[in-house]
Amino acid sequence: GIQVEQSPPDLILQEGANSTLRCNFSDSVNNLQWFHQNPWGQLINLFYIPSGTKQNGRLSATTVATERYSLLYISSSQTTDSGVYFCAVHMYSGGGADGLTFGKGTHLIIQP
Amino acid sequence: SAVISQKPSRDICQRGTSLTIQCQVDSQVTMMFWYRQQPGQSLTLIATANQGSEATYESGFVIDKFPISRPNLTFSTLTVSNMSPEDSSIYLCSHGGSGQAPDTQYFGPGTRLTVL
Repeated sequence: GIQVEQSPPDLILQEGANSTLRCNFSDSVNNLQWFHQNPWGQLINLFYIPSGTKQNGRLSATTVATERYSLLYISSSQTTDSGVYFCAVHMYSGGGADGLTFGKGTHLIIQP
Repeated sequence: SAVISQKPSRDICQRGTSLTIQCQVDSQVTMMFWYRQQPGQSLTLIATANQGSEATYESGFVIDKFPISRPNLTFSTLTVSNMSPEDSSIYLCSHGGSGQAPDTQYFGPGTRLTVL
């Protein structure tokens, strides 16, 4: 099956810092999503971005599908940005939509 | 996107018992999925649930252990059977998007299960 690798696994930053999280995947994908899992376990959709660049406030993401990687940028970090960031992908198998394959996540801690 | 709710939000169960988790979506969706997140780990797909057909299970998950129902386009249940402490996890359901975002998956709040 498709492999998803995220880096770094852990990241500790001071409030106000910027960060870049990376997601590499082993095959062509039809769906790539970034999620933030907050301390209560809720998965929050950040971006659906199988290719191209998107921005939402302090967050932006870029996926270069031909080179099989995606980047999530967080600017001016706040303590509420703490949590685990997951990249998840899906590759159509011809049988309709299937579930996502998740990376192991980046655990981000923003210190005040 | 359709809003997803799950019941119960958390439970503590004794080994050997079973627990049924309910997932409700506030509008009709074609695809629903069940995931498991073991402590400190990432999410793993258990099965895909389509209305009117048997669920499709991923490698390592079997129907006898995780029976799934999908009686209509807004509801699904996952049962964790004959539980052991290794089943302690967060169980999440999701739906494959609809409308203008058919490929985007959205997740429920999860059910945090502890097995003693």
